[in-house]
Amino acid sequence: NAGVTQTPKFQVLKTGQSMTLQCAQDMNHEYMSWYRQDPGMGLRLIHYSVGAGITDQGEVPNGYNVSRSTTEDFPLRLLSAAPSQTSVYFCASSYSSDYYTDTQYFGPGTRLTVL
Amino acid sequence: AQSVSQHNHHVILSEAASLELGCNYSYGGTVNLFWYVQYPGQHLQLLLKYFSGDPLVKGIKGFEAEFIKSKFSFNLRKPSVQWSDTAEYFCAVNPGSARQLTFGSGTQLTVLP
Repeated sequence: NAGVTQTPKFQVLKTGQSMTLQCAQDMNHEYMSWYRQDPGMGLRLIHYSVGAGITDQGEVPNGYNVSRSTTEDFPLRLLSAAPSQTSVYFCASSYSSDYYTDTQYFGPGTRLTVL
Repeated sequence: AQSVSQHNHHVILSEAASLELGCNYSYGGTVNLFWYVQYPGQHLQLLLKYFSGDPLVKGIKGFEAEFIKSKFSFNLRKPSVQWSDTAEYFCAVNPGSARQLTFGSGTQLTVLP
C-alpha cells in the first residue's frame, strides 16, 4: 500500500491564482480530511469527508473547496490564492466514519507559498 | 473557545533524560485523546491514544501518557529519551461528539547525543 499520497510536494502561486492539491489513499478509508499547519498553531482542520459524496467544513474552511467523488480521492481547491494561505497542507484518512477513536494516517504534506 | 494547549514549545534534553510533555484541553464531557509525532522528514504518525479504560496508556517506542480527568490533562512521558526521539510532538483531542480532531500547537523535542 502507498498509504496517503499528496501532490505536489511544493508549490508557489501568485495572489489570485487557483490550484488543486491532490490527495489519494489506497486503504479503502471512509474518512478523509485536510489540515493546514502554521508555525505555533498546530494543525487546523479545513474540510473533511465521511464518505464519497459527503463533505463538511472544519475550523478554517474559507477560501477552500473540496469534493469527494470517489473513496480514494479528496482534492482541495484554492479558489483565489491569498498570502494568508501560505502554509503546509496535510491530508489524512482513517478507516471508518466512526471517527472518534480511529487512527489518522497522514500524507507527506504540500508546502504552498503564495506571493 | 475550546482548545488544546501544549505549553512547552521547544524542549531540549540530553540522552537518557526523562521526558514529560504537557497537554491540557478545555472540553467538558467525554473526550478521546491522541499524541502524534512527526520525525524529521517523515509523515505524522500516531504515538498513542486513549478513549476509555485504564487512564495510563502505552504507545510505541516506550512512550506512555496518563489521562487525568480532573486536571483536563494528557501528559506524554518517556523515562529515558534517545537521540532518535528528536521530533515534533502534537497532542490532539476529539470531543467525542464531533468528527474533528483539534490539535495543540506542538512541542519540538531535541535530544542531544
